[in-house]
Amino acid sequence: TQLLEQSPQFLSIQEGENLTVYCNSSSVFSSLQWYRQEPGEGPVLLVTVVTGGEVKKLKRLTFQFGDARKDSSLHITAAQPGDTGLYLCAGDKFRYSTLTFGKGTMLLVSP
Amino acid sequence: EAQVTQNPRYLITVTGKKLTVTCSQNMNHEYMSWYRQDPGLGLRQIYYSMNVEVTDKGDVPEGYKVSRKEKRNFPLILESPSPNQTSLYFCASSLLGTEDEKLFFGSGTQLSVL
Repeated sequence: TQLLEQSPQFLSIQEGENLTVYCNSSSVFSSLQWYRQEPGEGPVLLVTVVTGGEVKKLKRLTFQFGDARKDSSLHITAAQPGDTGLYLCAGDKFRYSTLTFGKGTMLLVSP
Repeated sequence: EAQVTQNPRYLITVTGKKLTVTCSQNMNHEYMSWYRQDPGLGLRQIYYSMNVEVTDKGDVPEGYKVSRKEKRNFPLILESPSPNQTSLYFCASSLLGTEDEKLFFGSGTQLSVL
């Protein structure tokens, strides 16, 4: 059973455009993490959100955790080619049992 | 430098030939885990360990074994590999009990079973 649905699966945009990636579930998570994975490397953590309604900013990236802690979004402002990569969300239902990953959103930003 | 080290980076083998993928972390992390990543299926957890001598099954444990005899090492063992175990494998570790339980990933092992 796929607990975390990410959309879109693929996104190809031009440099300077804005975009939003979504991570949705019918389950409640105690925390939700966003990772970015570049080709040939392992995922690298971008942010963890733990409180319903929480908003965190990381330079041009804005992360939001839904009020009911079932969904999250990642918004990138003025995307750059260096933002290219696979974006993964991961939810933790219990305090560090197993982390469930979404299938990811592949983002390509062209110059 | 804090890191998770996996070896080998690439491995081609034949069906039935036992292999071990090693994983080592230098951060004194209690938690370690193995994932496999397949196109269209995403990252799926194979096994995890909360501490030395404590291991548990993830979502896809069939065909795999692990051991945690030392805190820093968490090898993944394929006793009799089959072609459906061809995949990209990642080891990860984390410090438990902190507000931001960040997973550190290794660089991956690309395994092909012929």
